[in-house]
Amino acid sequence: AQKITQTQPGMFVQEKEAVTLDCTYDTSDPSYGLFWYKQPSSGEMIFLIYQGSYDQQNATEGRYSLNFQKARKSANLVISASQLGDSAMYFCAMRGGQGGSEKLVFGKGTKLTVNP
Amino acid sequence: NAGVTQTPKFQVLKTGQSMTLQCAQDMNHEYMSWYRQDPGMGLRLIHYSVGAGITDQGEVPNGYNVSRSTTEDFPLRLLSAAPSQTSVYFCASSYARGLSEQYFGPGTRLTVT
Repeated sequence: AQKITQTQPGMFVQEKEAVTLDCTYDTSDPSYGLFWYKQPSSGEMIFLIYQGSYDQQNATEGRYSLNFQKARKSANLVISASQLGDSAMYFCAMRGGQGGSEKLVFGKGTKLTVNP
Repeated sequence: NAGVTQTPKFQVLKTGQSMTLQCAQDMNHEYMSWYRQDPGMGLRLIHYSVGAGITDQGEVPNGYNVSRSTTEDFPLRLLSAAPSQTSVYFCASSYARGLSEQYFGPGTRLTVT
């Protein structure tokens, strides 16, 4: 079955520094997609970035980049130049792989706190 | 586009009561799903649908029913509420084909006493 593991329950970073949030996944299917979502204290789920399993290059979206290491089955989120507004829960998720291509499976999340 | 809408935003139920959480989307998405979010557990899939008339169970389906009579609407029914169903419920939608992102509604905070 598909599984997402986020091993960091909480992370702290100084404003303007970069931070890496870890995500590993488990699937034997060659076709899958990896997603990161942000959930601020207001509760909404905000899509940040997507990486396809066949993409040759790491995905980037503004200050967000995804460090995709396929052989290690890891998809770490890198946030550059952290801002106070980045303080939130961050969820890694996978779609595709075993068990059906439609379902999105989430990790348990990492709470990021940005300190001034 | 309103995107994905959910009603109500908050709800308090007594044990044994039933209710329906509403979800609608205006993006013509085939795929719709319901998740519950509990502290420390991430989001867990309750039920999902890949099109009108087609539904399937997710990871935690017990105590919930769904139906999909139209592309736009995907209501979630709690048959007999229990305190264990106290949670935040999210509805999401996306295109079914391809590995596209899911768009989430604002969530419904449900408390069962």
